[in-house]
Amino acid sequence: DSGVTQTPKHLITATGQRVTLRCSPRSGDLSVYWYQQSLDQGLQFLIQYYNGEERAKGNILERFSAQQFPDLHSELNLSSLELGDSALYFCASSVRPAGDYNEQFFGPGTRLTVL
Amino acid sequence: AQTVTQSQPEMSVQEAETVTLSCTYDTSESDYYLFWYKQPPSRQMILVIRQEAYKQQNATENRFSVNFQKAAKSFSLKISDSQLGDAAMYFCAYRRITDDKIIFGKGTRLHILP
Repeated sequence: DSGVTQTPKHLITATGQRVTLRCSPRSGDLSVYWYQQSLDQGLQFLIQYYNGEERAKGNILERFSAQQFPDLHSELNLSSLELGDSALYFCASSVRPAGDYNEQFFGPGTRLTVL
Repeated sequence: AQTVTQSQPEMSVQEAETVTLSCTYDTSESDYYLFWYKQPPSRQMILVIRQEAYKQQNATENRFSVNFQKAAKSFSLKISDSQLGDAAMYFCAYRRITDDKIIFGKGTRLHILP
């Protein structure tokens, strides 16, 4: 158990819908990351937040958005869902952002299925 | 742009034997981190081993060791005395020193044969 929690574990929804994935980082971690793992694209970095502020953006679609709240939990919002959005979405957390090495601890992931 | 390539989609090894997983990467940076992650059927991403590019010595963690060839941009993982619990997808990954984005390879699925 990494200490990072993600809810829900599984989510099944229909095309065109909107979902919210939730992540609670490890206690004391200020930085949160979102990754998407899909069959065709593999594991891709989506976005990073540090202490409530967006810090880095990767291959995140405009239909997707995220935020980190004052209590440091984060939510990833996916809207106008398409079949291709079906994937495993990971959240990871670390104590602080880049500089000295600090390990990213991954949560168990949320499996999203779009029908 | 940095890329990570794993050319072996699947590999098999007999229990107790040694197996080497290959990885190459491309970067113009001189300092960076390289990782091997394990993803068992539970889907949890587990860090197996880490290598700092500025260290010449190859990293070792128990039965896991790497062969880091900086000039060749090669980073292979050797698993000694393979165990059934080693069966998983293994991802080679890269991270610049100056940012947190981890770039992953496509993965190698490792089967352990009893």
